[in-house]
Amino acid sequence: SQKIEQNSEALNIQEGKTATLTCNYTNYSPAYLQWYRQDPGRGPVFLLLIRENEKEKRKERLKVTFDTTLKQSLFHITASQPADSATYLCALPASGGSYIPTFGRGTSLIVHP
Amino acid sequence: NAGVMQNPRHLVRRRGQEARLRCSPMKGHSHVYWYRQLPEEGLKFMVYLQKENIIDESGMPKERFSAEFPKEGPSILRIQQVVRGDSAAYFCASSLSGQANTGELFFGEGSRLTVL
Repeated sequence: SQKIEQNSEALNIQEGKTATLTCNYTNYSPAYLQWYRQDPGRGPVFLLLIRENEKEKRKERLKVTFDTTLKQSLFHITASQPADSATYLCALPASGGSYIPTFGRGTSLIVHP
Repeated sequence: NAGVMQNPRHLVRRRGQEARLRCSPMKGHSHVYWYRQLPEEGLKFMVYLQKENIIDESGMPKERFSAEFPKEGPSILRIQQVVRGDSAAYFCASSLSGQANTGELFFGEGSRLTVL
């Protein structure tokens, strides 16, 4: 089954800077990759989906890239704000025959004013 | 347009008791997923159901855990004879059948089970 790696260390950045989070996977190339945001005590909220034939996807201040050669997705938040502080989860299908999302442990982002 | 509703939000049980967690999917959604999240760990898939059918239960422990999604009413995750290790946040998610192949999920706020 798929192994998903996200940096377990919190990312601390200054307000206004661009935050970049990484998601690496180890096995087969998934048909899609998703990013979710989770706040403490809350359920995850879907942010973006990128498909295997797409290299980049944007939504407002968010940008996701998908490099199937490196087996990596990068998640960028430009002009970051303290309200962006949360845990960001990457998710992709558990196996080639499944579309049920399997989640990484997430990376905590802290944006300092 | 109500989102995914889970109840109870918090549940305390003593070892050996039963826990029942309920989930009402978003209106129009016929696919329900249950995930478990332990402290400092990621979301772990447990089971995927459609109305009256369990589609994938590969993440469910073989004993004490069961799930259902009846024709009428919410989906229920049932944990019998709870142990301390069952203490976790249990999240339910739903998806619209037509979007099932993308796996985009809408999550509830979770039910936090504490076993004393």
